[in-house]
Amino acid sequence: EPEVTQTPSHQVTQMGQEVILRCVPISNHLYFYWYRQILGQKVEFLVSFYNNEISEKSEIFDDQFSVERPDGSNFTLKIRSTKLEDSAMYFCASRTSASSYEQYFGPGTRLTVT
Amino acid sequence: RKEVEQDPGPFNVPEGATVAFNCTYSNSASQSFFWYRQDCRKEPKLLMSVYSSGNEDGRFTAQLNRASQYISLLIRDSKLSDSATYLCVVNPKTYKYIFGTGTRLKVLA
Repeated sequence: EPEVTQTPSHQVTQMGQEVILRCVPISNHLYFYWYRQILGQKVEFLVSFYNNEISEKSEIFDDQFSVERPDGSNFTLKIRSTKLEDSAMYFCASRTSASSYEQYFGPGTRLTVT
Repeated sequence: RKEVEQDPGPFNVPEGATVAFNCTYSNSASQSFFWYRQDCRKEPKLLMSVYSSGNEDGRFTAQLNRASQYISLLIRDSKLSDSATYLCVVNPKTYKYIFGTGTRLKVLA
């Protein structure tokens, strides 16, 4: 069964450093998402991406964040200058089409900012 | 009012029991609704979509009440393996999804 994959599973970085989190969505999916979940808190929407552009973003997704689909398979989230409060689990999700709203999640990347 | 609201629990139930969770949402224009299951430190996994007509998948039944703006999940004959956090997810806009805080379920032997 096809699945969303994410790398790395755990990333440790120092405050102020840039990180890139990588996702490979399910191959025939067209809509892509990033979420974050701070430990013990709820899953929060960051951004959605369709047709090579951002469709919607939350207030969390400020200028420090960017997304890219550099080729036909990868979908990346970049955090330019990490802060301690960026420490969280980051989930990528994808869905297939305009008529199906069911999202499928990757296993997540645990980001620890020290 | 929160966009999506759930009772955090925990709900501690014996094996074989029936348990029900509710979730309320604030945006009456919301388009689609889902229940996800999340195990500790894992990704959310889709349990079921929720339709106006209600839907059932084995021991799980989901209902949507648009007039009162809530969705429900009923689990019959609870198993130990049902222990998890159940997340209510609402799609208020085409490209955005809002998660509830989740309801923790613990099924006891």
